[in-house]
Amino acid sequence: SQQGEEDPQALSIQEGENATMNCSYKTSINNLQWYRQNSGRGLVHLILIRSNEREKHSGRLRVTLDTSKKSSSLLITASRAADTASYFCAPLKRVGTGRRALTFGSGTRLQVQP
Amino acid sequence: SQTIHQWPATLVQPVGSPLSLECTVEGTSNPNLYWYRQAAGRGLQLLFYSVGIGQISSEVPQNLSASRPQDRQFILSSKKLLLSDSGFYLCATGQPNSPLHFGNGTRLTVT
Repeated sequence: SQQGEEDPQALSIQEGENATMNCSYKTSINNLQWYRQNSGRGLVHLILIRSNEREKHSGRLRVTLDTSKKSSSLLITASRAADTASYFCAPLKRVGTGRRALTFGSGTRLQVQP
Repeated sequence: SQTIHQWPATLVQPVGSPLSLECTVEGTSNPNLYWYRQAAGRGLQLLFYSVGIGQISSEVPQNLSASRPQDRQFILSSKKLLLSDSGFYLCATGQPNSPLHFGNGTRLTVT
């Protein structure tokens, strides 16, 4: 089963506004990563937060992690039209064969209107 | 820095035909390699991963197989494609506690 379910599925905002995307997962994790995907392209890593961290910043991005609630959020401040993309959270968890791998949800499609 | 090459970028194949998608990695040695599939408008499903030559772990039983004949080469194959094999196939490399680097993907349409 897929882990890392994002919410909302789609988000449309105006340029300059903040965008918040949420992620929930089901099992214990080592770390959780956020990725961005432009239409029809591969994924690009944005930020990694470890299970013992609560918040992390990178430029206009802020990620929080609440392991007690098994949830994470990605905040993009002062959004730009170029931020239009799909955003995925990916918890690092043990998969069927016992090794750790990133598992991805369905993503949040963000549309930033100029 | 690591670079991942995937080809072809797009592929249209009839049902029942074979498949071979190739992924090669530059800038790293003995990488962990992954094949993910993304259905239209969906998330990524982990299909296979490999920690070394000849070492393949399958996450989802299906019509596909993977091989790693060389350290930096990962191949996704099928003997007979099904309609349900259509999707966007992504190769990735990285260590479990580090970011993954993805290729640009192959869009496969089975007709």
